[in-house]
Amino acid sequence: SQQGEEDPQALSIQEGENATMNCSYKTSINNLQWYRQNSGRGLVHLILIRSNEREKHSGRLRVTLDTSKKSSSLLITASRAADTASYFCATDLQANQAGTALIFGKGTTLSVSS
Amino acid sequence: DTAVSQTPKYLVTQMGNDKSIKCEQNLGHDTMYWYKQDSKKFLKIMFSYNNKELIINETVPNRFSPKSPDKAHLNLHINSLELGDSAVYFCASSQTGTVHGYTFGSGTRLTVV
Repeated sequence: SQQGEEDPQALSIQEGENATMNCSYKTSINNLQWYRQNSGRGLVHLILIRSNEREKHSGRLRVTLDTSKKSSSLLITASRAADTASYFCATDLQANQAGTALIFGKGTTLSVSS
Repeated sequence: DTAVSQTPKYLVTQMGNDKSIKCEQNLGHDTMYWYKQDSKKFLKIMFSYNNKELIINETVPNRFSPKSPDKAHLNLHINSLELGDSAVYFCASSQTGTVHGYTFGSGTRLTVV
């Protein structure tokens, strides 16, 4: 049961440029989260935005959420080579009465070259 | 001080074998998960346990059997391994009612030959 779809699938930029990734989802959510995955590693939680929030910042990260369009964007400003990774959005899906689980999109692969 | 640790990191085995992957978290979280990531990086939830109780079982073949001896451990046993089981398996944990996201292990790359 896939919930989110990231766009673009791949993004290549130069150091110092900004990177924008988008995520669309299908059903109502409580919150939306973004994760980073470096090659061969586990996912790392970046930022969470609640359904009643429209924008959130954390360092060089800016996340927006538009619940009317069921979409979110992640902006990384002044990118660095170390930002090279895959980025996933995730939404909480009420799988059953007992619990929820994060459902991930397919991810955007970001390459930052120096 | 690894928060979520999985063993082994790599696992190569023949078709038909039975294997286990272990996961332990030292964060005091009450919920643990198993995810499968395929070759296209798509992550799919497999199981979720809350305080040792199975909460989510997402249409996973019954060859896969999770076991949670206590809330800090969630192991995954796979019987009669098939080629299609080759993937990276991630364990994760979270705390109900908080908004700090999931903490993931570094993954177990399973290759079935």
